[in-house]
Amino acid sequence: AQSVDQPDAHVTLYEGASLELRCSYSYSAAPYLFWYVQYPGQSLQFLLKYITGDAVVKGTKGFEAEFRKSNSSFNLKKSPAHWSDSAKYFCALEGGGNMGYKLTFGTGTSLLVDP
Amino acid sequence: DMKVTQMPRYLIKRMGENVLLECGQDMSHETMYWYRQDPGLGLQLIYISYDVDSNSEGDIPKGYRVSRKKREHFSLILDSAKTNQTSVYFCASRLGYEQYFGPGTRLTVL
Repeated sequence: AQSVDQPDAHVTLYEGASLELRCSYSYSAAPYLFWYVQYPGQSLQFLLKYITGDAVVKGTKGFEAEFRKSNSSFNLKKSPAHWSDSAKYFCALEGGGNMGYKLTFGTGTSLLVDP
Repeated sequence: DMKVTQMPRYLIKRMGENVLLECGQDMSHETMYWYRQDPGLGLQLIYISYDVDSNSEGDIPKGYRVSRKKREHFSLILDSAKTNQTSVYFCASRLGYEQYFGPGTRLTVL
């Protein structure tokens, strides 16, 4: 079984601050990890992925994430945050091998960046 | 530009009626998905399709069925809709490791 936990339902910070959204996962083998963003009233957009290799991966819109196998985490980071980053962010996991391209999403973190 | 379309965007049905949600993509992607999104929950996978007539259940397939007769189209069918199927439904197609999502269909079952 695979699962994703995003422990913070809501995060609020001021523009210019550094943001870090937490994500932890449970999977018995090597995971493929993703972050997606959903702006208000819109659909989901791909931000970045970790498949293998360097633990820090960079994505679109200035975001990056760090894969930490030691504590099964894949936190999303950006500095500085901008008011336009206000959105809901979803962490997701795909099990490799025979899991058949199935993605498991976390419940999401709603980010509000005050201007 | 990668584009996934969904029709209709909004739909209101009465309990017991049949519902057809349609999804299209013009990129010839093999793998497509149907998800639902409910408040406080993430996206839940209903069905996945690996190509024409090659479909597999996701995590919550009960009450739903799918049809994929052409690579570009993937339909979600609710036979005799229930009020707990009120939700926002997203379709997605996959290229490489990335999924491309449609705009969603907001379904209300009264």
